Amino acid sequence: AQSVTQLDSQVPVFEEAPVELRCNYSSSVSVYLFWYVQYPNQGLQLLLKYLSGSTLVKSINGFEAEFNKSQTSFHLRKPSVHISDTAEYFCAVTGEGSQGNLIFGKGTKLSVKP
Amino acid sequence: NAGVTQTPKFRILKIGQSMTLQCTQDMNHNYMYWYRQDPGMGLKLIYYSVGAGITDKGEVPNGYNVSRSTTEDFPLRLELAAPSQTSVYFCASRAGHAEAFFGQGTRLTVV
Repeated sequence: AQSVTQLDSQVPVFEEAPVELRCNYSSSVSVYLFWYVQYPNQGLQLLLKYLSGSTLVKSINGFEAEFNKSQTSFHLRKPSVHISDTAEYFCAVTGEGSQGNLIFGKGTKLSVKP
Repeated sequence: NAGVTQTPKFRILKIGQSMTLQCTQDMNHNYMYWYRQDPGMGLKLIYYSVGAGITDKGEVPNGYNVSRSTTEDFPLRLELAAPSQTSVYFCASRAGHAEAFFGQGTRLTVV
């Protein structure tokens, strides 16, 4: 079975500062990892994903995440945040042979202040 | 392409009433999911399905039932609604190991 731990429930940061949202997972099989973003009163949207290949994956709006198998981590980073990045971010994992089971972390609320 | 469509968007139920949350996807995805989202708790998996006719329990299935008679539809049934079922419910679908696509959610209040 898989599990996901998001280590920070809230992350306040000033505009244009760098940010890292941490995600650790547990799995006994090969994993597929995702970061989703949720803006207030909306559904979840995919931000980026790791399925295979390069361990560094990037989104179109400047976020990136690195799959680290030895650390069982998939941390999300952005070098310079904007007010519009204020949202809740969820890390999710599914594993090879998991019969489709897709597990989410508890989320991290990112608040970007001017 | 409508994606994942959930109805209704909002609903207030009285304790003990029943209802069905509807979910339809038009992407021919094999996997479908129901999650509930409570403040500070993230998304908890209620039930999921790997294809028509096949469903399985997630982390928090008690008080809910599902069926998957077609690829497109995955309704969630609440029998004997309780205040603990007050939540926001999300339906999602995906193909294989690709990313999941989510509906806009149903906000349910049980009073």
